[in-house]
Parts: sequence; C-alpha cells; structure tokens
Amino acid sequence: DAGVTQSPTHLIKTRGQHVTLRCSPISGHKSVSWYQQVLGQGPQFIFQYYEKEERGRGNFPDRFSARQFPNYSSELNVNALLLGDSALYLCASGSFSSVIQYFGAGTRLSVL
Amino acid sequence: KQEVTQIPAALSVPEGENLVLNCSFTDSAIYNLQWFRQDPGKGLTSLLLIQSSQREQTSGRLNASLDKSSGRSTLYIAASQPGDSATYLCAVNAGGTSYGKLTFGQGTILTVHP
Repeated sequence: DAGVTQSPTHLIKTRGQHVTLRCSPISGHKSVSWYQQVLGQGPQFIFQYYEKEERGRGNFPDRFSARQFPNYSSELNVNALLLGDSALYLCASGSFSSVIQYFGAGTRLSVL
Repeated sequence: KQEVTQIPAALSVPEGENLVLNCSFTDSAIYNLQWFRQDPGKGLTSLLLIQSSQREQTSGRLNASLDKSSGRSTLYIAASQPGDSATYLCAVNAGGTSYGKLTFGQGTILTVHP
C-alpha cells in the first residue's frame, strides 16, 4: 500500500505569492493533519481535517487555509507569503482505529 | 496548553553505547505518545507508540517507557550504530476532539560515530 504522498517535494516562491500544497492519505484513512516545521524546531500543528470537516486549528494566521476532498485528499493554501513561511510542510494521516499518525515526506517551501 | 520538552538537545556517542533520550510533557491527560525519527530534510518515521494505559513498548533495539503521572517518557537505544544518527522527536496526542493534533518536542539530534 502507498504511504502518505505529498506534492510537490520542493517549491520556491517569492514574498506575496500564493502556494498550494497537496496531500494524499493512506487508503482508508479519513483524517489528515498539516504541520509546519521550521529548521531546527519540532513540527507545529496547523490544521486537522476529518470527514471533510475542520476538526482543529493551530495558532496560525488566516493566511493559512485548508480543505479536504471527498476522496480524503487535502490541500493546504498559504496566501501573501512571508519569508517566515519558509519551512518543511508535513502532512499526516490516521484513523481512529489505527491511532498511529503516519507522515509524508513533506514539501520544502522556500520563500525568497 | 500542552508543552513538550526533550533533553538533551544533542548527543554524540561512540558506536556500541547504550543511550537514553528524555521527553517530558506538562499535561498528563494524553491519549498516547509517539516517538519519531527524522533524517535530515526528510519526513517523520514512526518508531514506537505508547498508549496512555501502557508503561512501555519495545521494537528491536528500541524501548520506550511512559510515566503519565510524572509527565515523562524515555527512549532507550541499545548498542547504538552509526545508522541510528538522526533527529528523534517525541509527540503527545491529546485524543478526543483533538485527535490528530500532535504536540512535538524540539527533538534530540543524535550522532553515533564509528
């Protein structure tokens, strides 16, 4: 079975631009969570979606938004990019029966 | 607000040593605790998960313990190898309506030299 897949793997943007990151969960998983990991720190929780509804939001500005589609894949959108948005963005999927959170390889975003 | 702290921040050991990584958390009302490994620039690989009702979990040379009442977990690595070099992260899951929201520590950077 395929693991959690994220695209693209790397992305370079300039300040003020918009970016969309994509995540496909493990087959059968209905929960998708997004994390931001700045270099040298642990991942910080951004959003969780379950059954296409937002179930949790971390301390991030409204420039960050997300959605989950009927096939349980998800998009993370960031508007008006700032230099400080440069980070590794991680997606995790899970289910209430498996309890373990499985992570994708991440998308490395660089904002210039 | 849950806070997770990992000690030490970095550790360098010779090959073959047994070592212990520490993780502490401020709110003992957790659903489970998970240890991850992260190689440079890569995603997270789950190593061990301990449910709140469990005291320890073992996988090969790895053993993780959990003392929920004191807010502590340790990851024990036996007979360390250069391939164990990576950043190790612990994360707690509050469960319930917060299921899927993991709170991470800053990580311990482990270097095992031949």
